Amino acid sequence: DAKTTQPPSMDCAEGRAANLPCNHSTISGNEYVYWYRQIHSQGPQYIIHGLKNNETNEMASLIITEDRKSSTLILPHATLRDTAVYYCIVRVDGTQGGSEKLVFGKGTKLTVNP
Amino acid sequence: ETGVTQTPRHLVMGMTNKKSLKCEQHLGHNAMYWYKQSAKKPLELMFVYNFKEQTENNSVPSRFSPECPNSSHLFLHLHTLQPEDSALYLCASSQESARGIPQPQHFGDGTRLSIL
Repeated sequence: DAKTTQPPSMDCAEGRAANLPCNHSTISGNEYVYWYRQIHSQGPQYIIHGLKNNETNEMASLIITEDRKSSTLILPHATLRDTAVYYCIVRVDGTQGGSEKLVFGKGTKLTVNP
Repeated sequence: ETGVTQTPRHLVMGMTNKKSLKCEQHLGHNAMYWYKQSAKKPLELMFVYNFKEQTENNSVPSRFSPECPNSSHLFLHLHTLQPEDSALYLCASSQESARGIPQPQHFGDGTRLSIL
């Protein structure tokens, strides 16, 4: 089972910031928070990941609370092409060796409106 | 362009047919994955290959048979499938190591499989 909880759907106006929340209250110290999104008829696309510090890249920002029990993905200026299902996933680091599983939940369907 | 190419994009087959799905990655990664995405269900991991060795079989029925001839290619051989096997089959790759930060998986756009 997925170890994260996300709202099933959200709406956002084009040009505004989209803030997508994720709860991961049982996260362990060596588990990273990953975000992917899936646009209709495409495979999932990696967005960003973090352990405990806030992270930013060209796509988004990731804010992780100090207790690491929740996080927020921020799309600073949402466009219509950002309409997708967004998945928040916790994933262990590689010290156990080998490839680690991605366990997807149902995600949040974000609709960006004109 | 994700660097992971899946063919065919669409496949319709009868329950007695034998077909194969193909995945090729151009990213130099050492791990490859098969996922299944059924309608209204989350993505489910099926198989994991690390350095061409199968390291995970997530209780997948034997009518699905994976093959990884090298680190760039992954196949999923299908035979005697059931209607409930109709789904989007996604391939992914990543660069994994024994220690350190887990690396993002890069996905293809999938093969849409319909079983008649």
